[in-house]
Amino acid sequence: GAGVSQSPRYKVAKRGQDVALRCDPISGHVSLFWYQQALGQGPEFLTYFQNEAQLDKSGLPSDRFFAERPEGSVSTLKIQRTQKEDSAVYLCASSLGKNAEAFFGQGTRLTVV
Amino acid sequence: AQRVTQPEKLLSVFKGAPVELKCNYSYSGSPELFWYVQYSRQRLQLLLRHISRESIKGFTADLNKGETSFHLKKPFAQEEDSAMYYCALRGSTLGRLYFGRGTQLTVWP
Repeated sequence: GAGVSQSPRYKVAKRGQDVALRCDPISGHVSLFWYQQALGQGPEFLTYFQNEAQLDKSGLPSDRFFAERPEGSVSTLKIQRTQKEDSAVYLCASSLGKNAEAFFGQGTRLTVV
Repeated sequence: AQRVTQPEKLLSVFKGAPVELKCNYSYSGSPELFWYVQYSRQRLQLLLRHISRESIKGFTADLNKGETSFHLKKPFAQEEDSAMYYCALRGSTLGRLYFGRGTQLTVWP
């Protein structure tokens, strides 16, 4: 595709439910980032992949958050036992390298009720 | 610790007026600074980066290391400039971006 694609665009989850958010990066982009954007705040870093290797997961807020990119392309961010404070927009970004321009997806808006 | 501060949450100007969106940062090293823009119902996109030293859509930003600032300026604002603007910093490790909370710019006709 022409840009970074994220699905679903919107997700409503009941508290305690598990969710999986998908990111399709731009073809050939080695680097992939996940960010969390709470209402009224700027994006905050969650985790970084270089190809299939997760090189930085220091931003994941708890062990309920898990991300993978098994074949170095599509990535999935999984949140287990969702809580209300997980409600946010989850952004994915990809780039040719860690210091290249990052291109962002439209985001997935997660609402936990 | 890395931090990006955008003191104004909201900024309103009239069309044709100058506009300045403020950004201050703290980082122990030589960071890269960026401005990202998000128009209504569109994705976040890069507006400009300090190393390129170029003007995009009439906007410029100068990195002032002494004042640790990277303010975004435009001499004559246009209605189509209305958007959310985020200042961001990238350090030397692994490419993660640190964002400010954003400034919502509204340009009135």
